[in-house]
Amino acid sequence: GAGVSQSPRYKVAKRGQDVALRCDPISGHVSLFWYQQALGQGPEFLTYFQNEAQLDKSGLPSDRFFAERPEGSVSTLKIQRTQQEDSAVYLCASSLARFPFNTGELFFGEGSRLTVL
Amino acid sequence: SQQGEEDPQALSIQEGENATMNCSYKTSINNLQWYRQNSGRGLVHLILIRSNEREKHSGRLRVTLDTSKKSSSLLITASRAADTASYFCAAGGTASKLTFGTGTRLQVTL
Repeated sequence: GAGVSQSPRYKVAKRGQDVALRCDPISGHVSLFWYQQALGQGPEFLTYFQNEAQLDKSGLPSDRFFAERPEGSVSTLKIQRTQQEDSAVYLCASSLARFPFNTGELFFGEGSRLTVL
Repeated sequence: SQQGEEDPQALSIQEGENATMNCSYKTSINNLQWYRQNSGRGLVHLILIRSNEREKHSGRLRVTLDTSKKSSSLLITASRAADTASYFCAAGGTASKLTFGTGTRLQVTL
């Protein structure tokens, strides 16, 4: 597609359920990021992939959060045993640049809004 | 944690006026970027300024960077109602990520 595609756009989960959020980046973009954005706040870094390699997962808040990008294209962010504080918008972004040695703009998807009841 | 802070947190101006937003960051950078986010949407890249640059222009946008003060400003000239959005600065350094600020909510009224 022409842009970064995320699904689902909206997800409501009961506390304790597992959720999976999908990101389809722009074709050919080697870099892929996941960010978490709480209401009224800026995006907070979760994890970074360069092709299929997860080079930085320092932002994942707990071991309940897991991300993968097995073929260097589509990525999935999985949250196990969801809790109310996980409620946020999860943004995926891709880039041609290989961070940190190169720099470039990020192309963001529309986000997946997760509400945990 | 957020790398930067935007100032002001919220700004309301009339169409045709200029809007200035400021960003401060904490660590050394090699570039600083500005993004716009319309309500309920993803972020859109506006402009990138490298650490060896002091000023950059793109259309109605003017960005300045002062690395000695660890600060940047975004000026939008002749604002339009369509400029209503949240604006974020993002610092790029030696880490493999961009670190975003807290954002400025801009409201442009007719």
